[in-house]
Amino acid sequence: SAVISQKPSRDICQRGTSLTIQCQVDSQVTMMFWYRQQPGQSLTLIATANQGSEATYESGFVIDKFPISRPNLTFSTLTVSNMSPEDSSIYLCSVGQGPDTQYFGPGTRLTVL
Amino acid sequence: KNEVEQSPQNLTAQEGEFITINCSYSVGISALHWLQQHPGGGIVSLFMLSSGKKKHGRLIATINIQEKHSSLHITASHPRDSAVYICARRETSGSRLTFGEGTQLTVNP
Repeated sequence: SAVISQKPSRDICQRGTSLTIQCQVDSQVTMMFWYRQQPGQSLTLIATANQGSEATYESGFVIDKFPISRPNLTFSTLTVSNMSPEDSSIYLCSVGQGPDTQYFGPGTRLTVL
Repeated sequence: KNEVEQSPQNLTAQEGEFITINCSYSVGISALHWLQQHPGGGIVSLFMLSSGKKKHGRLIATINIQEKHSSLHITASHPRDSAVYICARRETSGSRLTFGEGTQLTVNP
């Protein structure tokens, strides 16, 4: 199994600022995923982060708004840049270990005022 | 139309009742996941299914690949089962998941 931790667990931020969310895994994983869950909505994939290469962003998400780092096989960060109230969401990182298993972090609850 | 559809959207039950949550998907999958999300937002993976049926404690998950349908059953439901239950399909290639909108389950004592 994989244990995932995220920091911060929650934050309240002002419009126009940026927040970096950290995701730490207790084992080495190739693929890490960042998801967003807006209030009352299901999860939406933002990007896939592979170590040693640029993140792959889904339609509607761009690197300038959501820059991602993946410096090694156990760690990744997602930055939410120039925030607006529409960015208020839960942000989750997730890892896949093999084709059959997916683990999720506890999530970061972001509120933008 | 969502690639993954769940029903019902909301479900209220009395403690001890048998609960069924349904999930239908429109395109082929390599696997289907059932996830549980508690009010704090954290997600726990309950099952991954590619065929047949799996059981863990009071939870049972079934899948019918031909009909593109899966069900999650909870026997002898308890208030601590109150959560959002989400099904997600895994693409036939890669690890990407597409999520249903979730079913909010409330079990009253």
